[in-house]
Amino acid sequence: EVQLLESGGGLVQPGGSLRLSCEGSGFTFRNYAMTWVRQAPGKGLEWVSGISFGGGDTYYADSVRGRFTISRDNSKNTLYLQMSSLRAGDTALYYCAKVKWELHGAIDPFDYWGQGTLVTVSS
Amino acid sequence: QSALTQPASVSGSPGQSITISCTGTSSDIGGYNYVCWYQQHPGKAPKLMIYDVSSRPSGVSNRFSGSKSDNTASLTISGLQAEDEADYYCTSFTSSSAIIFGGGTKLTVL
Repeated sequence: EVQLLESGGGLVQPGGSLRLSCEGSGFTFRNYAMTWVRQAPGKGLEWVSGISFGGGDTYYADSVRGRFTISRDNSKNTLYLQMSSLRAGDTALYYCAKVKWELHGAIDPFDYWGQGTLVTVSS
Repeated sequence: QSALTQPASVSGSPGQSITISCTGTSSDIGGYNYVCWYQQHPGKAPKLMIYDVSSRPSGVSNRFSGSKSDNTASLTISGLQAEDEADYYCTSFTSSSAIIFGGGTKLTVL
């Protein structure tokens, strides 16, 4: 059974940093591109970032480019999102998701999702 | 890049069919056949319902279908059931090598 478990969320002050993690199990993690999607409280979904299965290609939404860095450690089956210069507008539930296609360059569709980790940016 | 445009809400009675539209531009929906639809129930993670405009993942009911014309994609749900009540989001790949979501549509089954 595919499982994705996010962690690392919490309360952080504006301008601060936080690193999210997402551990995958039940599939060959190193063979699949991964992504982060967020959802502000009561709002819609927003794609944040994606990374190829090997980690060599990364993609970002304009709203986070230059502030967030996506990475992965395939030896640990773990996806990361390093977030810096955080703003109140970054407050959201952050989901990690697995891309459907194995060994493919696509950064979507997302066929399995975690339950999310909540990031709150507030003073 | 602005979000894809979806109606805020749609409704229908059990057994009826409804269609949710998703409008973008030639730089996203109109330029690629990489449109997806996700269903999200309150407090739950999204679920993939349609990918590549009209393909259904295994396990998704054939009551769900997708299509695209020019810069607008559509999700049709036939034979509405109470369990279909949820939020629905479209996505598209973009010319900036990014993924863009629609604003979401709340489906109410009357």
